[in-house]
This record gives sequence, C-alpha cells and structure tokens, in this order.
Amino acid sequence: QQQVKQSPQSLIVQKGGISIINCAYENTAFDYFPWYQQFPGKGPALLIAIRPDVSEKKEGRFTISFNKSAKQFSLHIMDSQPGDSATYFCAASVTRSSGSARQLTFGSGTQLTVLP
Amino acid sequence: DTEVTQTPKHLVMGMTNKKSLKCEQHMGHRAMYWYKQKAKKPPELMFVYSYEKLSINESVPSRFSPECPNSSLLNLHLHALQPEDSALYLCASSQIMSGRVDGDTQYFGPGTRLTVL
Repeated sequence: QQQVKQSPQSLIVQKGGISIINCAYENTAFDYFPWYQQFPGKGPALLIAIRPDVSEKKEGRFTISFNKSAKQFSLHIMDSQPGDSATYFCAASVTRSSGSARQLTFGSGTQLTVLP
Repeated sequence: DTEVTQTPKHLVMGMTNKKSLKCEQHMGHRAMYWYKQKAKKPPELMFVYSYEKLSINESVPSRFSPECPNSSLLNLHLHALQPEDSALYLCASSQIMSGRVDGDTQYFGPGTRLTVL
C-alpha cells in the first residue's frame, strides 16, 4: 500500500516535444506529491510539487496533473529541451504525528532523453 | 538558500577501513535524512533524525552508524563495509510540521560517491 508506481522506465522525446511521466499510488493518506529531477552524479532536486486538493499546478514548462479519484498524477514537460535529459522521480508522503519528519515514498524513476 | 552540503564528494575505502561522511545545512531544518542510492534506482531511506534524535532506522546494518551532533550537522560513520555497500549516499533535510504541507519539502545534497574495494 506504500508503493508508488511510475511509468515509463525510459522515455525518448524530440526537442520541442511533450514529455509525459505517470505515477499511481494506493495509499489515500498521501497528502503531498513532489517530483524530483536528478542529473548523473548529482542529488535529486525538487522540481514541482502538488497537494491532492489541487487538480493541476504549472511552473514554467512543467505541469503536474492530479486525479484524486483515480489515484494518479503525472508530470508534463512542454517544449522539452536537451537540458531536460535527466532521471525523474515522483514521490508521495503523508503527514505524520506531531514532531515527526515526513518520509518520502519514491517511484522507480524515469530516464528522460531529449534528442536535439 | 536551499543548500545541503556533503563531504567528501568521492570516497574509496577498503573493507577494514573506518571513514565518515559529513552533511551540513543552514536552513534551520530540524529533520535530517540519510539515503543510499544505487545506479538507476530511487533513493532508499536509511535513517531519519528529528530534532537531533534518531527517529527512524530502516533496519540498516550496524556497520553504518549515524550521528547528529547538532541541528545543522549529520554524520554517517562507516566501518567494515562490504563491496555491495558501494553507492551514492545522499543527505537531505526538511522542516517538521511547518504548518504547510508543502513546507516539509526535503532538500537533497549532491551526495558522496562511495566505492568499497
């Protein structure tokens, strides 16, 4: 029930195209859904995040779509650029009891390649 | 400033060595985390410190020993490691119960690439 399933495992997109990565979860207690971007040899960096009371959030070329009833959320990268080539992880977390830190449950990751 | 720093960047050690990884943040975060990441895999949680106290230990072998000397520093002491422990070790920090769901975002450091010979 703690799993977050992510697809596809790898994605190749032409420059200027739209990249779409999908995630699904089972635990309805999850209340925060961040996406992380990771370049080789670097730590994950927060890209964009959403709460379940919002259906869509857009920041620049990056958009999260959230479907609470289907327990699915997705990342859309518009006008994809070669510099977007990286591994993307979706994640989910749940508010814990007072004084406790959040734990992230990560998806398996998607390796995105944007061809010039 | 959302920077988490980690030293060293790279570490090569033998199975009988003792070494330490260091993590530092100055964002006033009261939660700090250690993760292990293998190639092409997501980060795997090892330890969580909340208010400088160990709150979560994900059944990590005792050859990994965490330490949180103060609210800004996190160490990971390594002893008698195995070659399969070679990985990228990531540190992260976050606020706790900031009152905003998205206020508890975890910020990651660049990691230490550990190779055990």
